[in-house]
Amino acid sequence: DGGITQSPKYLFRKEGQNVTLSCEQNLNHDAMYWYRQDPGQGLRLIYYSQIVNDFQKGDIAEGYSVSREKKESFPLTVTSAQKNPTAFYLCASSIRLASTGELFFGEGSRLTVL
Amino acid sequence: AQKITQTQPGMFVQEKEAVTLDCTYDTSDPSYGLFWYKQPSSGEMIFLIYQGSYDQQNATEGRYSLNFQKARKSANLVISASQLGDSAMYFCALLTTDSWGKFQFGAGTQVVVTP
Repeated sequence: DGGITQSPKYLFRKEGQNVTLSCEQNLNHDAMYWYRQDPGQGLRLIYYSQIVNDFQKGDIAEGYSVSREKKESFPLTVTSAQKNPTAFYLCASSIRLASTGELFFGEGSRLTVL
Repeated sequence: AQKITQTQPGMFVQEKEAVTLDCTYDTSDPSYGLFWYKQPSSGEMIFLIYQGSYDQQNATEGRYSLNFQKARKSANLVISASQLGDSAMYFCALLTTDSWGKFQFGAGTQVVVTP
């Protein structure tokens, strides 16, 4: 079945450690996104990418990094520079950036910093 | 800058009743799209319904309908005949042509359906 796979679903890390969240899609979508969700709040855009080897900062990119070496994959690294990384992270894709089509989401990764 | 507002943090609704979730938006772009998503406790986001700014008719999708009032800049979601499985967080989102890819999400409304 086509869809977006995020892993791991739950992740714990110590302060000062970098961690990478995986996002893979087999929908053949050009555009991919990373969102952060804090309890009781909406989604905030971290990074987005419209094509391979290109990505743009969203509203809250500080302390995060991404890569887009393959169309199917858009991993997010939460670096030690991110001051408050505990959150729920959602990866999404859409057919292409300049489109009114909806976002398709993965099931999310919950990161807890101990 | 565009903005999207959901003023109802939470609602209770009885099974089989209808419920309306409010969403207002602010944008100067004449071309935009409005989306509603459902987020169950498991966390995934499920697309429900879409309304384009130039659509003449209100969008409907099964038990979901969108009450689109363009002049008032509101796009309320109506869920008819509520079911226990409708208990979830509901988000309204705005996408404009001058911010391709940058969906703006509201804070969400928590809906609890009671027997």
